[in-house]
Amino acid sequence: SAVISQKPSRDICQRGTSLTIQCQVDSQVTMMFWYRQQPGQSLTLIATANQGSEATYESGFVIDKFPISRPNLTFSTLTVSNMSPEDSSIYLCSIGGWGGQPQHFGDGTRLSIL
Amino acid sequence: ILNVEQSPQSLHVQEGDSTNFTCSFPSSNFYALHWYRWETAKSPEALFVMTLNGDEKKKGRISATLNTKEGYSYLYIKGSQPEDSATYLCASAIQGAQKLVFGQGTRLTINP
Repeated sequence: SAVISQKPSRDICQRGTSLTIQCQVDSQVTMMFWYRQQPGQSLTLIATANQGSEATYESGFVIDKFPISRPNLTFSTLTVSNMSPEDSSIYLCSIGGWGGQPQHFGDGTRLSIL
Repeated sequence: ILNVEQSPQSLHVQEGDSTNFTCSFPSSNFYALHWYRWETAKSPEALFVMTLNGDEKKKGRISATLNTKEGYSYLYIKGSQPEDSATYLCASAIQGAQKLVFGQGTRLTINP
């Protein structure tokens, strides 16, 4: 299966700053997904990133807060902007399916906001 | 809104015992049901993908069943081992929506 490299693996950030998370895949994929898991919550889809088009955001997530880039078929970034303590979460990128095929995840970014 | 529920939220099991837990999902417009295992400091790992009512899948000591008419899936672990300690996530997909909706997970701890 594809190898997914996500970085940083963890970070501690100051309130009001922004952090960009990178996700690199060793093969070309059409769709990449960005998830967040806040403490005690379920893994929640932030947006779907397709190469060559704007990302599709889920209800409750907006582009100004979570801008996403997808410059090619192997790479994507998620920026968490103007961070507050509520943004402390694990952020995951993934590839793969939602139907008959499983998703494959990066190792995650564990983000803490002071 | 697609709501996926898992129970129990956490579970402690003695090594060697068998256990099971539940995933409930809306049965209308069902497309697929996924199970993942998420160990601490690692990425979620796919266990099973099931699409047909009555599906049963097995991977070593772990198996899963699917009932799409009533909207539930069971995950079974036989003869639990310490390495089974992890959070087990289920996720459901509905027709027409190109995404998975995850439950909150069942956190399993195996006591030696």
